[in-house]
Amino acid sequence: KQEVTQIPAALSVPEGENLVLNCSFTDSAIYNLQWFRQDPGKGLTSLLLIQSSQREQTSGRLNASLDKSSGRSTLYIAASQPGDSATYLCAGVTQGAQKLVFGQGTRLTINP
Amino acid sequence: EAGVAQSPRYKIIEKRQSVAFWCNPISGHATLYWYQQILGQGPKLLIQFQNNGVVDDSQLPKDRFSAERLKGVDSTLKIQPAKLEDSAVYLCASSLGSSGYYEQYFGPGTRLTVT
Repeated sequence: KQEVTQIPAALSVPEGENLVLNCSFTDSAIYNLQWFRQDPGKGLTSLLLIQSSQREQTSGRLNASLDKSSGRSTLYIAASQPGDSATYLCAGVTQGAQKLVFGQGTRLTINP
Repeated sequence: EAGVAQSPRYKIIEKRQSVAFWCNPISGHATLYWYQQILGQGPKLLIQFQNNGVVDDSQLPKDRFSAERLKGVDSTLKIQPAKLEDSAVYLCASSLGSSGYYEQYFGPGTRLTVT
């Protein structure tokens, strides 16, 4: 059974810093891994999707990597802005279960 | 392209009452998902439909929760009777297919408070 963990649960950094959010998973037979953003009271916005054959994906200031052998994914945010403040969730799909399993999220606060 | 629509956005009910949520997926998406997200946790899959058939409902508390997707488009999720621990955000998502290859798109969610 796939388990996804995100540490820390909360992170606060000053504006302008580069930062890394971590995601670990127990089953390396992962089909794809997705990073989402969730603003308070809102649904999930997909940020990046990494297929199992890929090692990373980039979109603007965001870069996500996937290392199946170590069971880890990271989301790198460059030059953070107050508008980046939100909860970031990672979720993986395993080849067996074919369903998204979510981590509990990291609540990010960017201080002006 | 219109996104996933959900209603209502908020609902407050007393325990033992019933409640229903509605979801309209992105046009052309064959697969529809309902998730439950308890405060401070990641979403948990309740049920997955492929067209109007159930693919996975292993985590749906079937003694009180029911869901249907008539005609393979819109879907409703019902809770009867509600318990305090059902307080959560209920998210609907859709994708082109049921394979994990396909990206899921989420609606804004319905926040349920059971008092």
